[in-house]
Amino acid sequence: DAKTTQPPSMDCAEGRAANLPCNHSTISGNEYVYWYRQIHSQGPQYIIHGLKNNETNEMASLIITEDRKSSTLILPHATLRDTAVYYCIVGGNAGGTSYGKLTFGQGTILTVHP
Amino acid sequence: KAGVTQTPRYLIKTRGQQVTLSCSPISGHRSVSWYQQTPGQGLQFLFEYFSETQRNKGNFPGRFSGRQFSNSRSEMNVSTLELGDSALYLCASSSGQGGAEAFFGQGTRLTVV
Repeated sequence: DAKTTQPPSMDCAEGRAANLPCNHSTISGNEYVYWYRQIHSQGPQYIIHGLKNNETNEMASLIITEDRKSSTLILPHATLRDTAVYYCIVGGNAGGTSYGKLTFGQGTILTVHP
Repeated sequence: KAGVTQTPRYLIKTRGQQVTLSCSPISGHRSVSWYQQTPGQGLQFLFEYFSETQRNKGNFPGRFSGRQFSNSRSEMNVSTLELGDSALYLCASSSGQGGAEAFFGQGTRLTVV
């Protein structure tokens, strides 16, 4: 499985955009980039995922570089409830079967402050 | 649409006992994966089931086992419990297709004393 590198922690002011970076230089051509977050003692929450193109949903935007070696998760207007551990994961299998495994790293602890 | 349901939410067991945890996936999802989360090791993949067959397995001892029923509900079993098995056990369901996202339940907090 491709490995990801994320900063251990980040801060963001409430109402501002939170930009969480992730490096995944060993990603293979058929692997997706997934983002999840986990609020203390709860199950991880799916945020967004993408293969090559940038993606946007009601929660966030995902920007993937053209060489696919890094990506950025953008929370456009962070709130206090966005304080969580954010995990960037590379996995899946475009056009095939994923076999379920997501390899979680240590993630980024995002703290949103007033 | 109902989410992933895990039961029980909390469990206390004694060393040497066995335990069975249950997971009901999102309706229509045929893939169920199980994870163990501890403060020291983080989130680690246990195994994945799809249509009642184990398709993938993580690096855990044989004391950890699972199964999936025809309605896609899954159970995992841990035999001969050790103190180190104390953890949050999470299950995730997905369609099983190559790019599908997985949705997690709230987990079962197992404490072994």
